[in-house]
Amino acid sequence: GAVVSQHPSRVICKSGTSVKIECRSLDFQATTMFWYRQFPKQSLMLMATSNEGSKATYEQGVEKDKFLINHASLTLSTLTVTSAHPEDSSFYICSARPGDYNSPLHFGNGTRLTVT
Amino acid sequence: GQQLNQSPQSMFIQEGEDVSMNCTSSSIFNTWLWYKQDPGEGPVLLIALYKAGELTSNGRLTAQFGITRKDSFLNISASIPSDVGIYFCAGRRLSSNTGKLIFGQGTTLQVKP
Repeated sequence: GAVVSQHPSRVICKSGTSVKIECRSLDFQATTMFWYRQFPKQSLMLMATSNEGSKATYEQGVEKDKFLINHASLTLSTLTVTSAHPEDSSFYICSARPGDYNSPLHFGNGTRLTVT
Repeated sequence: GQQLNQSPQSMFIQEGEDVSMNCTSSSIFNTWLWYKQDPGEGPVLLIALYKAGELTSNGRLTAQFGITRKDSFLNISASIPSDVGIYFCAGRRLSSNTGKLIFGQGTTLQVKP
């Protein structure tokens, strides 16, 4: 149980274009999902908290106009990287928890974004 | 953002050896989690701990929630080649009302057959 599916697993795009990444909870409902970014050989850094039916909460230093988050249903959150640039190239991982805020996070398999 | 102090940063061991890694924090935590991440994939939950002093096993893995609530360790016994990967500790501060997880820097484990 508690499966989180992320799509696509890998995407290459040209500078200036936008990319959408989907995160789905397959066997549970998630009012909250979390988006992380991970640079090579580094830990996971929380970018934003996605809230179903309301605005996302962004961490300090994360541009909300750059990283658009939409949590349209209890099983789907999307992250759109707008006007992508090479420095946006990274590994993006979403996560969700099947219970209350104390329950463990379960992660998707990540999306490797390369901006050329 | 805030990170936990996780050590060691990396380990290179012989197959069959036991491994130990730990995380410490200056804040009190009410949850400690241990994850393993393989290259190019998302972290997978190994063990979750919710009470001070709690000792939990998952196969060859054992983790404990420190009595002070500011630390946790993970032990792997009789390591095998598939244990290779990056291990992350993660925790929730007692003062948090959002359930936000804070991650350690990771321990990279390499196992020599």
